[in-house]
Amino acid sequence: DARVTQTPRHKVTEMGQEVTMRCQPILGHNTVFWYRQTMMQGLELLAYFRNRAPLDDSGMPKDRFSAEMPDATLATLKIQPSEPRDSAVYFCASGLATTDTQYFGPGTRLTVL
Amino acid sequence: ILNVEQSPQSLHVQEGDSTNFTCSFPSSNFYALHWYRWETAKSPEALFVMTLNGDEKKKGRISATLNTKEGYSYLYIKGSQPEDSATYLCAFYPPIGYSTLTFGKGTMLLVSP
Repeated sequence: DARVTQTPRHKVTEMGQEVTMRCQPILGHNTVFWYRQTMMQGLELLAYFRNRAPLDDSGMPKDRFSAEMPDATLATLKIQPSEPRDSAVYFCASGLATTDTQYFGPGTRLTVL
Repeated sequence: ILNVEQSPQSLHVQEGDSTNFTCSFPSSNFYALHWYRWETAKSPEALFVMTLNGDEKKKGRISATLNTKEGYSYLYIKGSQPEDSATYLCAFYPPIGYSTLTFGKGTMLLVSP
């Protein structure tokens, strides 16, 4: 049963610390998305990749957030330095194409104190 | 920023009631529309991918229609059951290069026994 995995599932950190979230997309999926769930914005797209190349990261605060795909089996989302307003659930999703069905991971719940 | 609106914001029905929600999106530059079902404390799961004007999709008691000319999609649930309680999200996909995909804020459905 192929599924998207994310680590860690929960992260509590202090303001100013670096946070790295990892995602393993479903094998064979060439499109990876990062989302943030907040009360105000709902599900907010941060960035997405196709064949490991970033297609759009306009939803991401550039000064502190970065997203990469070091290889086809790993996507990372990094926040440095973290701030309390970054507290949210971060979801990764993968798909066969940018307009195809997306399969979501379980999410990383981040709390920045 | 694209305007993707979902209505109503929330809905409370009794078991056995039929219900429907609306997703409104820009009628120009349409490429695809997705519906997702999101249960509390879980990840969004895909329901339908809709690409053509007049599309009708069905999965069990849930169905969806699409009108790209006027910019809306309806999701119907026939004979709601408590297990249908979830937030239903639509995601609008413009052609690549115009803008990025955008999720609506969702319709939260609660079905009481």
